[in-house]
Amino acid sequence: DARVTQTPRHKVTEMGQEVTMRCQPILGHNTVFWYRQTMMQGLELLAYFRNRAPLDDSGMPKDRFSAEMPDATLATLKIQPSEPRDSAVYFCASGLGLQTSTGELFFGEGSRLTVL
Amino acid sequence: QQQVKQSPQSLIVQKGGISIINCAYENTAFDYFPWYQQFPGKGPALLIAIRPDVSEKKEGRFTISFNKSAKQFSLHIMDSQPGDSATYFCAAGKGGSEKLVFGKGMKLTVNP
Repeated sequence: DARVTQTPRHKVTEMGQEVTMRCQPILGHNTVFWYRQTMMQGLELLAYFRNRAPLDDSGMPKDRFSAEMPDATLATLKIQPSEPRDSAVYFCASGLGLQTSTGELFFGEGSRLTVL
Repeated sequence: QQQVKQSPQSLIVQKGGISIINCAYENTAFDYFPWYQQFPGKGPALLIAIRPDVSEKKEGRFTISFNKSAKQFSLHIMDSQPGDSATYFCAAGKGGSEKLVFGKGMKLTVNP
């Protein structure tokens, strides 16, 4: 049963600490996305990769956020230093592109971050 | 600037009723319009999607209606069931890019 795996599922940290979230996309998928979900803003795109190359991170606060794909099986989203306003659920999603028959994105179950 | 606007923000219907969620988009380059369903504690999952070469697509109790001239599309859930209670997101994407722009979501509650 192929699925996107995210760790940790929950993280509580104090302001100023570094947070790293990890994602294992579905094997064979060539696009990976990081979304942030909040009640106020809904789902916001932070960054996305195609074939491990970063294509767009315009939605990400550059001074504190960074996203990487060290290899095809791992994507990371790092926040340093974390702030209370970063509290949200962070989703990773992978897919084969919108030009496929369904254009489906497969989401993980999310990492719920609370910054105190 | 919000490129996809979704309404209403929440909806309560009785079992057996019809749920209707509306979305409007601004960018005429969009050519792919999916709806995602999200249950509490889970990630969104694709429910149904449409491309602008058709005005309607039906899958079981779920139907997307698409109005290209008005730049609007909607999701209709017929015979709504308590198991349909979830948050629904509309989204839009355009050819050549895999990015999806999501609406803010609508929480649907179907009462027994």
